[in-house]
Amino acid sequence: KAGVTQTPRYLIKTRGQQVTLSCSPISGHRSVSWYQQTPGQGLQFLFEYFSETQRNKGNFPGRFSGRQFSNSRSEMNVSTLELGDSALYLCASSLGQGGEYDGYTFGSGTRLTVV
Amino acid sequence: QKEVEQNSGPLSVPEGAIASLNCTYSDRGSQSFFWYRQYSGKSPELIMFIYSNGDKEDGRFTAQLNKASQYVSLLIRDSQPSDSATYLCAVKSPNNNDMRFGAGTRLTVKP
Repeated sequence: KAGVTQTPRYLIKTRGQQVTLSCSPISGHRSVSWYQQTPGQGLQFLFEYFSETQRNKGNFPGRFSGRQFSNSRSEMNVSTLELGDSALYLCASSLGQGGEYDGYTFGSGTRLTVV
Repeated sequence: QKEVEQNSGPLSVPEGAIASLNCTYSDRGSQSFFWYRQYSGKSPELIMFIYSNGDKEDGRFTAQLNKASQYVSLLIRDSQPSDSATYLCAVKSPNNNDMRFGAGTRLTVKP
């Protein structure tokens, strides 16, 4: 089965601009979680969407937002970009229905560079 | 206190040795525990999960869980240079689908 697809793979943006990243989960998976990864902070949880609703949210400012569509594809948006937003953004797909094993499958990530 | 803590390393072992990676977590109610491997420039990939106390073996990998001590570890036997990567410990919250990650341990296996 197809894996998790993230687009684009690379982005270069200027401070103050906004950006939209896309993630298509594994077929049948209804949960999409987004993470920011930087060398200094590791994987930081942004938010999780399940059945078109934001179910969990991490400690990021309101400039970071997301949504999920009826086909489970998700987008995240970052407005008013800052240099510190430069990072690898990963989305993770899962069934989202709990249980002892409901592990994440990650996409290849989007490398965002803000200049 | 961080929710999931790992020794950042780097950890260096010779080829053929046992590599031992450790992780502690703060939420006593956590139910599931995962180990991910991340090669440089790549995304994390799941290599092991465990949810019961004790050991779980899969090939050269053994995950160990001690809920009383809030401790989970990963042993890699007969380490190979291809095992050189960053290993991320992840803990799933008991109340939702939220997965929290440690900062990762960088492992280098020297030929």
